[in-house]
Amino acid sequence: AQKITQTQPGMFVQEKEAVTLDCTYDTSDPSYGLFWYKQPSSGEMIFLIYQGSYDQQNATEGRYSLNFQKARKSANLVISASQLGDSAMYFCAMREGARDKLTFGTGTQLKVEL
Amino acid sequence: EPEVTQTPSHQVTQMGQEVILRCVPISNHLYFYWYRQILGQKVEFLVSFYNNEISEKSEIFDDQFSVERPDGSNFTLKIRSTKLEDSAMYFCASRGDGLVSYNEQFFGPGTRLTVL
Repeated sequence: AQKITQTQPGMFVQEKEAVTLDCTYDTSDPSYGLFWYKQPSSGEMIFLIYQGSYDQQNATEGRYSLNFQKARKSANLVISASQLGDSAMYFCAMREGARDKLTFGTGTQLKVEL
Repeated sequence: EPEVTQTPSHQVTQMGQEVILRCVPISNHLYFYWYRQILGQKVEFLVSFYNNEISEKSEIFDDQFSVERPDGSNFTLKIRSTKLEDSAMYFCASRGDGLVSYNEQFFGPGTRLTVL
């Protein structure tokens, strides 16, 4: 089974609208962390937001928030007030237990339109 | 703002040649990583490095690969005899050990390796 599943290969959103990018995960470890990274066309990986499995509240960072639903094993990224510069590939990733590696999903290509 | 740097940005090599990809992690970070991304695919973990030794490696990281921290600032990935399938973007990442930003791995801009 895939550890991280991103079911939306591509998404479109109008400028200034909010958009939700889906991510579901699979782990039996009670301790884990979930991450979102942005990859613009230039190729670099930009860290956006982190959610720990024991965190009581959903993580927020500026226009980014993480809708963490533990029972459903989902960690959706919400981008509010989309901007043209948000057009990029977005990757969800997980770190499990004491292991240090990140396991990535296949990504969602987001295009923000005028 | 401190950042991870990588050189070169693009490396072209012939099959069978050795390549060394270089990274300078963020200066007070203690955990170092290499990932790769084959064009159009997801990012895959290769190896993690802490306290001058490999802490974890993936099945991709076979005997052809090695990592080294030759001095206090550089972190290198060596591929001894490159294959066509090694063509990918290679990302270096680093992580701190403090109370703030403990969890985040910060990525460098990547080195695009092309094996001909």
